[in-house]
Amino acid sequence: QQQVKQSPQSLIVQKGGISIINCAYENTAFDYFPWYQQFPGKGPALLIAIRPDVSEKKEGRFTISFNKSAKQFSLHIMDSQPGDSATYFCAAANYGGSQGNLIFGKGTKLSVKP
Amino acid sequence: EAQVTQNPRYLITVTGKKLTVTCSQNMNHEYMSWYRQDPGLGLRQIYYSMNVEVTDKGDVPEGYKVSRKEKRNFPLILESPSPNQTSLYFCASSLRFPYNEQFFGPGTRLTVL
Repeated sequence: QQQVKQSPQSLIVQKGGISIINCAYENTAFDYFPWYQQFPGKGPALLIAIRPDVSEKKEGRFTISFNKSAKQFSLHIMDSQPGDSATYFCAAANYGGSQGNLIFGKGTKLSVKP
Repeated sequence: EAQVTQNPRYLITVTGKKLTVTCSQNMNHEYMSWYRQDPGLGLRQIYYSMNVEVTDKGDVPEGYKVSRKEKRNFPLILESPSPNQTSLYFCASSLRFPYNEQFFGPGTRLTVL
């Protein structure tokens, strides 16, 4: 129930295309869903995050779509650029009492070809 | 500069030799956490600390200890390292959990022979 399943494991997209990464969860107590971006040799950095009271959040070229009933959420990268090539992690958190678990998916390695 | 620092950045050690990886943040954050990153497994939480009074296990706490004696520091202790603890370790902190961004340190690559 604590798992977050992420797909695909790797993704190759042409410059200007749309990159889509999907995540699914089981624990309905999760109430915060961030996406982190990691470049080689660096720590992850927050990209965008959503709470389940909204179905979509957009920041620039990055959009999270959230489907509460299906327990799924996805990251869409519009007009993908070579600089977006990185590993992306979805995550889920349950804020209840003294719990502080942040559960990550296994990651998606995105390569954007020029 | 606001940051999370980890030391050492690289460490090669032998089985059973106790080691400590330090983590420090200068942002006055309440929440701190340790993760390990392994190929194909993503990031897995080892321990977290909601504040100086509350510390708890994450998903993979076996073989690790932590200490939160002051707000800025959160060291990770391996009392008797084993080869299966060879990994890339990240410390992270945030103002509060979970709705604030977690800032990650640069990572510590540990090899246990």
